[in-house]
Amino acid sequence: AQSVTQLDSQVPVFEEAPVELRCNYSSSVSVYLFWYVQYPNQGLQLLLKYLSGSTLVKGINGFEAEFNKSQTSFHLRKPSVHISDTAEYFCAVSVFYNQGGKLIFGQGTELSVKP
Amino acid sequence: DADVTQTPRNRITKTGKRIMLECSQTKGHDRMYWYRQDPGLGLRLIYYSFDVKDINKGEISDGYSVSRQAQAKFSLSLESAIPNQTALYFCATSDPSSAAYNEQFFGPGTRLTVL
Repeated sequence: AQSVTQLDSQVPVFEEAPVELRCNYSSSVSVYLFWYVQYPNQGLQLLLKYLSGSTLVKGINGFEAEFNKSQTSFHLRKPSVHISDTAEYFCAVSVFYNQGGKLIFGQGTELSVKP
Repeated sequence: DADVTQTPRNRITKTGKRIMLECSQTKGHDRMYWYRQDPGLGLRLIYYSFDVKDINKGEISDGYSVSRQAQAKFSLSLESAIPNQTALYFCATSDPSSAAYNEQFFGPGTRLTVL
């Protein structure tokens, strides 16, 4: 069965520092991978997605992620974070299910950016 | 205007009460989903619907029921609410033309507290 593991539940970081949020998945078939962001008191917003092609995917707000098939990872990175990046981040994998697809989510990582 | 709306945004109720959470969308998507979010557990799928006549249980459907009144409306009911159903509930939609990818679009969430 497919699963997603986010290796850090909380990541505190100072403003302007780089950050990496780690995500590993398990799947025996081709996968489509997503990162969503949830700002306080808001719904989930798509940050970026990997469908095929280049393994380095760029998203909104300066975030990027690298798909590594051999490591079964899809880590999210930003070279310099801002206070406004404080949010919860979810990694998800899309799997085929019952004539359609569904998303399997990781447990979430709380990114806290301190001044 | 938001593409996916949820009502109410916050609700406090008592054990044993019947509660309905509503979701409406203007995206024209056939597929709709209900998730609950709990700290440290990420998002878990309760029910999903691929069209008006198609309703499917997700991984945690016990204690919940749904109704797909129209393409644009998908309601979640708790027939007899219990405290461990206290959570943040999200509705989401997706477009069948992206079935292989299953990118989903989320509402703002309903925070439900069962006392």
